[in-house]
Amino acid sequence: KQEVTQIPAALSVPEGENLVLNCSFTDSAIYNLQWFRQDPGKGLTSLLLIQSSQREQTSGRLNASLDKSSGRSTLYIAASQPGDSATYLCAVRQGGSEKLVFGKGTKLTVNP
Amino acid sequence: DAGVIQSPRHEVTEMGQEVTLRCKPISGHNSLFWYRQTMMRGLELLIYFNNNVPIDDSGMPEDRFSAKMPNASFSTLKIQPSEPRDSAVYFCASRPNNYGYTFGSGTRLTVV
Repeated sequence: KQEVTQIPAALSVPEGENLVLNCSFTDSAIYNLQWFRQDPGKGLTSLLLIQSSQREQTSGRLNASLDKSSGRSTLYIAASQPGDSATYLCAVRQGGSEKLVFGKGTKLTVNP
Repeated sequence: DAGVIQSPRHEVTEMGQEVTLRCKPISGHNSLFWYRQTMMRGLELLIYFNNNVPIDDSGMPEDRFSAKMPNASFSTLKIQPSEPRDSAVYFCASRPNNYGYTFGSGTRLTVV
């Protein structure tokens, strides 16, 4: 059974800092991995999707990497801003399945 | 594109009442998913449809929950009778083939 873990559960940083959020998964037979952002009381916004054959994806100040063999993904946020404050969720789609398995998320606070 | 549209945004109901949540997926997306989010368990898949056909309902907690997708542009999740432990945020998501998921804004259900 696939399990997705995100560490740390919460992170507080000063504005301008570069930071890394971690995601690990137990079964490496994944189809893809997706990072989402969730603002309080809101839905999920897709940030980046990495297919199993890819190593990384970039969008603006965000860069996500995938190491399937070690069961890990990282989300790198450059030059963090207070507007980046949100909960970041990692989700894995298993090979041969339509189901997304989510981690519990990392709650990020960027202080001005 | 209006995205995935869910209604209502908030629902407060008394225990024992029937609750119906609604979802309109993105046009052309052939897969639709219902997720539930709670503080304790995070995001969990309840059921998903492919081309309007229910494929996996193993996440539906019990017989009080039912879901339908009568056509490609509409789905409902019904809880009857509702119980306080059903209080959660319910998300609908849709996905085209081999791409990432798009989530709606969710329905916050409170059963008193």
